[in-house]
This record gives sequence, C-alpha cells and structure tokens, in this order.
Amino acid sequence: AQSVTQLGSHVSVSEGALVLLRCNYSSSVPPYLFWYVQYPNQGLQLLLKYTSAATLVKGINGFEAEFKKSETSFHLTKPSAHMSDAAEYFCAVRSNSGYALNFGKGTSLLVTP
Amino acid sequence: ETGVTQTPRHLVMGMTNKKSLKCEQHLGHNAMYWYKQSAKKPLELMFVYSLEERVENNSVPSRFSPECPNSSHLFLHLHTLQPEDSALYLCASSQGTGLGYEQYFGPGTRLTVT
Repeated sequence: AQSVTQLGSHVSVSEGALVLLRCNYSSSVPPYLFWYVQYPNQGLQLLLKYTSAATLVKGINGFEAEFKKSETSFHLTKPSAHMSDAAEYFCAVRSNSGYALNFGKGTSLLVTP
Repeated sequence: ETGVTQTPRHLVMGMTNKKSLKCEQHLGHNAMYWYKQSAKKPLELMFVYSLEERVENNSVPSRFSPECPNSSHLFLHLHTLQPEDSALYLCASSQGTGLGYEQYFGPGTRLTVT
C-alpha cells in the first residue's frame, strides 16, 4: 500500500530563511504525490502535485518540491519564509488500490520574526 | 475559497441526537469524498461517491450515513454518535477518480459530541 512519512511534526524557521519540510513515500508503483496546506480553522488547500512529469514541481505561494526516486522523497521547499506561511502542511500519496489520498501526520510550520 | 462549501462550520450534539452535515461543490466535479480529521491522527477517508454512486466505504460505523442526491451535494447523516467521533469532518471533490486528479477540500465542520 502507498504511504507517506513526514519527518518532524514541528518545524520552526526565521522569517526570510529557507523552508524545508520532509516527506518520504513508500510505493510499489510510480506514485502520485501531493502537498497540501491547512491554515487554522480552514480546510486543506493544494500547494502542488507530482504526476510523473517533471521531477521539480512548482506550486503556489513560492513553494516547490522535488521528486527523488532514489531517495523515495518529495520534500517541500521555499527559499524565503513569510509570516503568512505558518500553517500545517500535509504530504499525501494517491492510493493505487482505491480512491483515497493517504496523508502523512502533518508538519506544523512556525515562522518567527 | 476552493469552491467547496460546508455547513455548519461548528456543531455540538449529544449522543442521542440526529444531525446532518452538508457539503456543496461549485466546480462541476464528478466525485465527492468525506474525510475525518482527528487530533494527532492522519486524515482518514470515510466515503467516496463517483457520479452519485458510492464507490468506497472504509469500514465506517453505521452511525455515519452518507447521501449523495446529485453530483453537487453530499450529506453525512449522524445518529447516536460517541465522544470519540468528535473531529473535523472534511468534504472534498475532484473532477474524476483517476490517479492524477487532485482533491479540493472544503473548510470542514468541527463536530463535538457531548
């Protein structure tokens, strides 16, 4: 079964610093991978998705992620953090055997002045 | 604003009550989903509807009963819930159920069972 693991339940960065949120996947077939963001009291918003095209995927709000098959990783990055980036971030992989998105447990990003 | 709306946004109900959650999507999508988001647990898929037909039911207790009267509306009927059912219930929709289709989420209904 397809699954993802997010390393680090909490990440803290300074405003203007690099954001790196880690996600590793487990899949027996080429995966379809997604990053979502959840702001307080809101639903999930799609940041970007990988569907076996380009390995470097650009998303909204300056985020991007790189698919690395050799490392089974799909880490999310942003060159310069803004205060407004503080939120919960979820990595997800599409289940090949059903209709679900299998989500990681999430990483809470804190941005300090 | 993702084009998926949910009402109510907050709901408090007793264990003997009956209530319903409503989801509406304005995106012209053909598939709709219910997810449960509990504290400290990954999101759990509950139900999937494709073209108004239920295609997946992930071992959800019968006290949760979904209904999809048309491709734009999805309901979750609740009865005799337990305190452990307190969670954020998220509705989502997608253009199709193929692997590459992303799911668009509503803001959720925060349910508290007392």
